[in-house]
Amino acid sequence: EPEVTQTPSHQVTQMGQEVILRCVPISNHLYFYWYRQILGQKVEFLVSFYNNEISEKSEIFDDQFSVERPDGSNFTLKIRSTKLEDSAMYFCASSGSQGAYTFGSGTRLTVV
Amino acid sequence: GQNIDQPTEMTATEGAIVQINCTYQTSGFNGLFWYQQHAGEAPTFLSYNVLDGLEEKGRFSSFLSRSKGYSYLLLKELQMKDSASYLCAVAAGGSYIPTFGRGTSLIVHP
Repeated sequence: EPEVTQTPSHQVTQMGQEVILRCVPISNHLYFYWYRQILGQKVEFLVSFYNNEISEKSEIFDDQFSVERPDGSNFTLKIRSTKLEDSAMYFCASSGSQGAYTFGSGTRLTVV
Repeated sequence: GQNIDQPTEMTATEGAIVQINCTYQTSGFNGLFWYQQHAGEAPTFLSYNVLDGLEEKGRFSSFLSRSKGYSYLLLKELQMKDSASYLCAVAAGGSYIPTFGRGTSLIVHP
C-alpha cells in the first residue's frame, strides 16, 4: 500500500536554530499538508499546498514557517528560528482529492 | 472555527459494540472525518461522511446527521487492537481541510 514517508523520525535542535522536515508524499497525490500535534493535544492544521503554491494556512503558520516542493517528489517544512513551543510531532499528509488523507509516520521535533 | 465535542475516554469489553459520538457547531459544512490514532503513531483514515446516513465498512460504521450537527462511529466485535484514540474532524467554512477534535481514547479490555 502506498505510504507517505517522513524523515527524520526524530530531530533534536537548539532554540533559535533552523530545521527542515522532509516528506515524500504518495506519488500520484496532488494535495499536500503539514499538521502538528503537541504532546497530549489535538492534531492542528498548519498548511496545505497544491499546484506548487500554498492553498491554505492556519494562524499557527506564521513567518517563521515555510514550505517547498524542491523537486517532483519531496515536500519540506522549514522552521527558521525554532522556539521551545515548536516541540511537537509534525505530520505530513497527502491526498488525491478531497476526502481521505494519508498521513506519514511523523517527525518528533524537540527544541532544547 | 468549528467547535467539535467528543467524549475524552471510553472503555469497552472485547467482542462488544461501542459507539463514539461527535457533535459539532459550524457553518458551511463540507464533510466529517473519523481517524484512528494509536499512541505515538500517525492518524489513519477510517471514514468520510458528506451526506446524511450510515456508511458501513467492515467492523466500523459512521453515521452523520447534518441538521443535528452529530456523527457517531460504531465499532463492532471489538478487538484489543482497537484500543486507540478516535479523532472526529470537520471540514467547513469554505475549506475542505479537516479541523480535528481532541479525540476519544478507547480502552478495550478482555
